[in-house]
Amino acid sequence: GAGVSQSPSNKVTEKGKDVELRCDPISGHTALYWYRQSLGQGLEFLIYFQGNSAPDKSGLPSDRFSAERTGGSVSTLTIQRTQQEDSAVYLCASSAFETQYFGPGTRLLVL
Amino acid sequence: DAKTTQPPSMDCAEGRAANLPCNHSTISGNEYVYWYRQIHSQGPQYIIHGLKNNETNEMASLIITEDRKSSTLILPHATLRDTAVYYCIVRAPENSGGSNYKLTFGKGTLLTVNP
Repeated sequence: GAGVSQSPSNKVTEKGKDVELRCDPISGHTALYWYRQSLGQGLEFLIYFQGNSAPDKSGLPSDRFSAERTGGSVSTLTIQRTQQEDSAVYLCASSAFETQYFGPGTRLLVL
Repeated sequence: DAKTTQPPSMDCAEGRAANLPCNHSTISGNEYVYWYRQIHSQGPQYIIHGLKNNETNEMASLIITEDRKSSTLILPHATLRDTAVYYCIVRAPENSGGSNYKLTFGKGTLLTVNP
């Protein structure tokens, strides 16, 4: 079946611009997670959704980052006023029963 | 806090079994052992997980010692496409409280399969 999909696959933006990253989870998965992986670094947890609710937003690096999930399905991660240190691969995962399945990621480059 | 210890790198000949070790000496009774891998420029891929019994699926086998302080992931016939960073993660069930929904990835083992 279809896995987790993310779009765009690559995004280049200028410092100060806003970007939106999209995640389509596996159909029927109630939980959705966002992680970030900077160059040569491990995965950093950002936010977790159960249904449309986000019980834990503690991993969001600053108030420039926000995320929402609608209809218990698609999620959007928004970064406002992007900075160069936001350059990273943004990964989305979804799960139904404990096991998280990851998408291919969005590679964000802020110039 | 590192919950798992893995060698930074390993090599394996194509067609041979790759045995990747992981130490998790402080594992709690309700924590599962998960294995993921990340092929260059791709998202992490789930491989297998287990609690205390050995597990096998189409990708790999997971051998967990009786005291659960270590485990080994076995790729029975490694191919060049198995070259990746392999991550061993211990995690309690999400409904056991706390922030167990977070996967904490360490540095993993870079497995290089050679022709």
